[in-house]
Amino acid sequence: GAVVSQHPSWVICKSGTSVKIECRSLDFQATTMFWYRQFPKQSLMLMATSNEGSKATYEQGVEKDKFLINHASLTLSTLTVTSAHPEDSSFYICSARLRGQGTGELFFGEGSRLTVL
Amino acid sequence: GENVEQHPSTLSVQEGDSAVIKCTYSDSASNYFPWYKQELGKRPQLIIDIRSNVGEKKDQRIAVTLNKTAKHFSLHITETQPEDSAVYFCAAHDYKLSFGAGTTVTVRA
Repeated sequence: GAVVSQHPSWVICKSGTSVKIECRSLDFQATTMFWYRQFPKQSLMLMATSNEGSKATYEQGVEKDKFLINHASLTLSTLTVTSAHPEDSSFYICSARLRGQGTGELFFGEGSRLTVL
Repeated sequence: GENVEQHPSTLSVQEGDSAVIKCTYSDSASNYFPWYKQELGKRPQLIIDIRSNVGEKKDQRIAVTLNKTAKHFSLHITETQPEDSAVYFCAAHDYKLSFGAGTTVTVRA
């Protein structure tokens, strides 16, 4: 099946610093990738939809200037948490769908656990 | 947008018994309904999915039913085993995938 790789798997940073998380589709092209955030014992909440070659679409309540998304190629999307604060500590998961599929199975990355001190 | 409700939030069953999780959705345009199993600290794993043109789908011990008229779908796990213990999420797709709140399933040996 399709493989999505996400790095880093965990990161600890100081408050005020920025952290970049990478999401790669290893064996398929993904024109669209999705970024989710999951707080402990909660569900996955969609943050934004990343579109190759264009601006990301953010969900209501998600600050686009704080969570920068870049989707520069068909296999790579990045999420940068800028000026991170302790309340940004969470599990961030990316996912991708096979190119050309409007709906269908999403392939998830391993997730990145961010801890902001 | 889509609103997915999931019940129960926790479910404890004896090994060998069946487990049933129910979800409702709000957007009649939703046409894809996957179920995910997530173990602590790991990514969600697709266990079964169903499209809106199908009423039921089964894969070994796991089955999903969909009632489009009532806008609800259910996950059935039969002959539960301890390794079935995890958090299960339902989801519905209109223009994006929206998740239910999750059900923590504990299978008692």
